[in-house]
Amino acid sequence: DAGVIQSPRHEVTEMGQEVTLRCKPISGHDYLFWYRQTMMRGLELLIYFNNNVPIDDSGMPEDRFSAKMPNASFSTLKIQPSEPRDSAVYFCASSTERSYGYTFGSGTRLTVV
Amino acid sequence: KQEVTQIPAALSVPEGENLVLNCSFTDSAIYNLQWFRQDPGKGLTSLLLIQSSQREQTSGRLNASLDKSSGRSTLYIAASQPGDSATYLCAVFRTSYDKVIFGPGTSLSVIP
Repeated sequence: DAGVIQSPRHEVTEMGQEVTLRCKPISGHDYLFWYRQTMMRGLELLIYFNNNVPIDDSGMPEDRFSAKMPNASFSTLKIQPSEPRDSAVYFCASSTERSYGYTFGSGTRLTVV
Repeated sequence: KQEVTQIPAALSVPEGENLVLNCSFTDSAIYNLQWFRQDPGKGLTSLLLIQSSQREQTSGRLNASLDKSSGRSTLYIAASQPGDSATYLCAVFRTSYDKVIFGPGTSLSVIP
């Protein structure tokens, strides 16, 4: 298995633009998580899905952020409009039942200028 | 509310030394605990997962222990190498269906 695949690896965009981050979880994993990592706040859970259904989105910072999981092999995290304070590394992770832990993707480094 | 802390925040040791990283959590009713390694600019790599019924796990030069009653886990690295330089994070699963809480990490530097 190729692991959790995220794209793009790097994204630089101007303030106000829409940004879409993509994630392909490990085949057979039924949990998918989106995290944001910054120096100031460390790793923060934004949202997670179980069997493609959003379970907890309480970490989504505001309405500018949205996430979807249209099928078991694909998820997107969208920011519209983007702001400089959204600059961070965004990680996607997947797991099958919790007893087996997490597998993380390599992340998307987002810079909003 | 579960809080996870890691001590020390940073550690610098000479190559070959054995070392211990600490992870503490406030709510002992946890399900699993997982240790990760993060290299600069990279994602998180899972090192060891300790399930609720276990007390320790070993992989190569790494050994992780879990004491739920005291709210502590330690990651022991034997005979450290420069390639071990990275940030080490612990993650606590409160239940099998709840969100995971990460510690802030320990930045390790092994000096050749």
